[in-house]
Amino acid sequence: DAKTTQPTSMDCAEGRAANLPCNHSTISGNEYVYWYRQIHSQGPQYIIHGLKNNETNEMASLIITEDRKSSTLILPHATLRDTAVYYCIVRVGGSNTGKLIFGQGTTLQVKP
Amino acid sequence: DAGVIQSPRHEVTEMGQEVTLRCKPISGHDYLFWYRQTMMRGLELLIYFNNNVPIDDSGMPEDRFSAKMPNASFSTLKIQPSEPRDSAVYFCASSPRGGFNEQYFGPGTRLTVT
Repeated sequence: DAKTTQPTSMDCAEGRAANLPCNHSTISGNEYVYWYRQIHSQGPQYIIHGLKNNETNEMASLIITEDRKSSTLILPHATLRDTAVYYCIVRVGGSNTGKLIFGQGTTLQVKP
Repeated sequence: DAGVIQSPRHEVTEMGQEVTLRCKPISGHDYLFWYRQTMMRGLELLIYFNNNVPIDDSGMPEDRFSAKMPNASFSTLKIQPSEPRDSAVYFCASSPRGGFNEQYFGPGTRLTVT
C-alpha cells in the first residue's frame, strides 16, 4: 500500500472549515483513499473514501487532486466534537481487502 | 443497531493470568478484526476473519495470543499467559461483505497487566 504523510497536528476555530491534508505521492491507480478519525478514548470511526472523484457525505468532503498524489479532508463547519486524530489511509481496491494500516494521523484541535 | 459490542470494557489482571476479550460484531457483517492500540506502537491489526475463518494473523505478536470465531456473532481474543507489555486498548471491528473497507469499531477493552 502507498505510504501517506500527514501533519502531526492542526488547529481550527469552531465554526470554520477544517482542511486536513494528506500526501500519497506513490499511490497506484487501483488504490483508494480512506479517512477515519478517532475521538479520545473511542474506537476509530469511518468518515469517507474515494478513488479519483471528489466525494461528499453527511460528515465531510474529500478532495483528491487530479494526479491523485494528495487529498484533503474538509469538515465544513468544525465543532468542538470534531477534535480527534484523523487518519488518512491508502488501500488497494474498493471491496473489502482486509487490512487497513493506521499511521500516526493528524491531531485536530478545534478551539472555541 | 447496537454496534460492535466488546466486553469487558476494563480488565486488570496480574502477570501470568489468562485474559479473554470478547466481541460481538454487527449482525450481518462478514468481516471481523482485532486491533491493539498503545502509545508507542499506535493502532495495530492483530488478526482478521472472513465468514468466521481467520484470513491473516500475521499481526498476532506471539503464541501467547490466540483468537477464535466460533460463529458469526461472537469472537474471542485470548492471552495466556499475560505480561505487563500486553497492557493496551484492544479494539474489535466488523465490516460488511462487499463494503468499501468501512470498518465499524467497538468501544474497546482497556487491559492492564500488573
